[in-house]
Amino acid sequence: NAGVTQTPKFQVLKTGQSMTLQCAQDMNHNSMYWYRQDPGMGLRLIYYSASEGTTDKGEVPNGYNVSRLNKREFSLRLESAAPSQTSVYFCATRDSHSYEQYFGPGTRLTVT
Amino acid sequence: GENVEQHPSTLSVQEGDSAVIKCTYSDSASNYFPWYKQELGKRPQLIIDIRSNVGEKKDQRIAVTLNKTAKHFSLHITETQPEDSAVYFCAASTSAGGTSYGKLTFGQGTILTVHP
Repeated sequence: NAGVTQTPKFQVLKTGQSMTLQCAQDMNHNSMYWYRQDPGMGLRLIYYSASEGTTDKGEVPNGYNVSRLNKREFSLRLESAAPSQTSVYFCATRDSHSYEQYFGPGTRLTVT
Repeated sequence: GENVEQHPSTLSVQEGDSAVIKCTYSDSASNYFPWYKQELGKRPQLIIDIRSNVGEKKDQRIAVTLNKTAKHFSLHITETQPEDSAVYFCAASTSAGGTSYGKLTFGQGTILTVHP
């Protein structure tokens, strides 16, 4: 089992470019989440998906869109990247029985 | 929404000493409180969690205590070792049901350094 995987691991974008961060899980969990992590600020929720076909905004959704393609995959899209979106992005899934969230390895994004 | 405050932001101890990290939360509906450890360049990993129907939980050298009345919870690490050095995050959430869907609100993190 791969658990939670994310691609790419690293990405450098220029201001205004777009890109999609991919997340996939083989844990058969219903809920999936996207967080960003900035120094000194912990992890902040961008968007989440309680189940296939549903998505909702988290704490910091501006500048992002998401797609829950199926139960396994949850993607995060930056339509027009800004330097303020330089961060490490983590995808996570949640076990509905234990409540534990399992994190992917992260994507380090730099916007210049 | 929920707000989680974590203290201290940095903590330096000698090997073998105990370390305590404290968090407060604002939403009285929160009922799930996990602690994550994150090593440099790695993903956060759950080390212990507690639900609001218990006051304390232990797992070997780590323990978590919860005071629902005061809305605070703490992580205790005893007999610290250099490999305990990492960033520790607390978080709060309501469990499944309603509209929360298990959203976690994280504290700002504590950098723990254990000196040999």
